[in-house]
Amino acid sequence: NAGVTQTPKFHILKIGQSMTLQCTQDMNHNYMYWYRQDPGMGLKLIYYSVGAGITDKGEVPNGYNVSRSTTEDFPLRLELAAPSQTSVYFCASSYSRTGILAKNIQYFGAGTRLSVL
Amino acid sequence: TQLLEQSPQFLSIQEGENLTVYCNSSSVFSSLQWYRQEPGEGPVLLVTVVTGGEVKKLKRLTFQFGDARKDSSLHITAAQPGDTGLYLCAGDRGTSYGKLTFGQGTILTVHP
Repeated sequence: NAGVTQTPKFHILKIGQSMTLQCTQDMNHNYMYWYRQDPGMGLKLIYYSVGAGITDKGEVPNGYNVSRSTTEDFPLRLELAAPSQTSVYFCASSYSRTGILAKNIQYFGAGTRLSVL
Repeated sequence: TQLLEQSPQFLSIQEGENLTVYCNSSSVFSSLQWYRQEPGEGPVLLVTVVTGGEVKKLKRLTFQFGDARKDSSLHITAAQPGDTGLYLCAGDRGTSYGKLTFGQGTILTVHP
């Protein structure tokens, strides 16, 4: 069972270049998320999706774009990369559960370590 | 705005010592989760606490959810080098599409 798979694992990008971080999950989860993790800052939500064709901004969306054409895939696009986007990026997925006693368990990929130089 | 304050940020202890990590907020959460992350990997869920005052045990790890569901703690008894890692708390308000609010994390190093 692969779970959440992210590619690439590492990448070096030049300032101003663009690239797409890939994320795919095989658990048929409807919710998917993109986070960035900077030292001492925990995880910050970039974008999330509640199903195919539906995406919304998280806490730090500037400089990024996403799409969700299928349940399985949720790519993250960096346009005009800047040094401030040097970070570790994590994709996660979860079941949809709402209600007072909701328990939203997120499953994470292994991350993409991106350097913008 | 950091809604979940986690402390301490760094913890370096000797094998066999006990430790406690705290996660505090002014907001009420429907549940609170603790994740552990090892270098080069993504976070992995350890436990979810849902009910105010709830205590859950996972071998040498004890998790507690505050009565008002605003805070939580993780206590490790007789720490082992294998406990080394980044510990993250995350709160779920149960309202916004499963979005979690993460604390900034506690880096634990247990020396043999």
